[in-house]
Parts: sequence; structure tokens; C-alpha cells
Amino acid sequence: GAVVSQHPSRVICKSGTSVKIECRSLDFQATTMFWYRQFPKQSLMLMATSNEGSKATYEQGVEKDKFLINHASLTLSTLTVTSAHPEDSSFYICSPARVNNEQFFGPGTRLTVL
Amino acid sequence: TQLLEQSPQFLSIQEGENLTVYCNSSSVFSSLQWYRQEPGEGPVLLVTVVTGGEVKKLKRLTFQFGDARKDSSLHITAAQPGDTGLYLCAVISGSARQLTFGSGTQLTVLP
Repeated sequence: GAVVSQHPSRVICKSGTSVKIECRSLDFQATTMFWYRQFPKQSLMLMATSNEGSKATYEQGVEKDKFLINHASLTLSTLTVTSAHPEDSSFYICSPARVNNEQFFGPGTRLTVL
Repeated sequence: TQLLEQSPQFLSIQEGENLTVYCNSSSVFSSLQWYRQEPGEGPVLLVTVVTGGEVKKLKRLTFQFGDARKDSSLHITAAQPGDTGLYLCAVISGSARQLTFGSGTQLTVLP
């Protein structure tokens, strides 16, 4: 199966700081990257979709200036949470997809904003 | 409005009991997937069903796709503590053909 890594797995930061989350597809090329967010005891909700070399498309209610997505290569995408606030505390999961739309999931990053 | 509604939302049972989780929608899908997610980890694919009425078995787990391809069920026989987790159904939808997840069922199997 496909191998996906996320770094860091956990991060705690102070309110107002920025946090960068990296997602790598280790053994395949991801033409599309999906970023999901999951609050406690809830399901995964899609935040944004990006294609390599293109600007990300954000779901309704997700601020594009707050959640910066970079998909500079077919194996690496980053999500930067800018000026984080406690309400941004969540579990962030990346999901790279192959050209045939087959999606895989990273292990997630637990963000806690104090 | 949630595209996929799962029930029950929470389920706590004793080891050895049987259970069924439901995933319902008013839309028709070409396929449907079931995932299990453990705390602090990403979801793991259990099965994909593609044909109306299809039944797939994975050890003690039985998955069924509704005849009209609008709903699905997951039945677990003789549940074990290792079955504890969040069970999610998901379908491909949207312009980017992304996976959209159901509301989830949190299962706890007590020893």
C-alpha cells in the first residue's frame, strides 16, 4: 500500500503563532492533495483541495488566508495555519491522491493552540 | 445537511456481542467505502463496495451495499475490544472527486 507521512505528529503552540504541517507521499506521486480537519468526536471534514503547481481550492467556511496550502511537488504538500487561535485546535489529516483518484491518508497532526 | 448519515453515533457494547452500523443517504453512489480510525491516527480503508446488493466479508465484519446504492451497513459478529474505533463510511463526490465522509459511529467494545 501507499505510504504517507505527516510531520509533526503533535504540535502545541501559543495563540497568534503560525504552524506548518508537512505531508509527504513516500512511494507514489500525488497529483492531488486533500486536507481534512477533524474535531473531537466528529468526522473528517474537507478543508481544501490542491493540485501540484496550482492554487488550492477551499471549501466554504475555510479561510484561505488563514490556512495556506502549498503543493510545490508531487510528493510534498504543506499546510500552514497562520495566526493560530484556540478554535483552530484540531486533528489535521492530509490525503494525497493518485492520478486515478485513489486517495490515501496520512497519520494526522494534532494541533493544540494555547 | 450531511450527505451521509451514520447511526448510531455512539455504541458501547460488551465483548462477544453483535452489532450493526448504518450509513444512509438520499443520493445514489457508484461505490461506497468503509474506514476505521483509531485515536490519533488517520483512517484505514476496510472495504469498497460497488454493486447494489453486494455483500463483502472481512473476518468478523460483513459489509452490505443497498440494492439502490443509497445506503450501506456494517455488521460485526462477536465484537472484540480490538474492534474499538471510529467507523466511517465515505463516498466520492464533488468536482475534485474527493472522499466525503459520513458522520461516523464511535464503537467501544468493553472487555
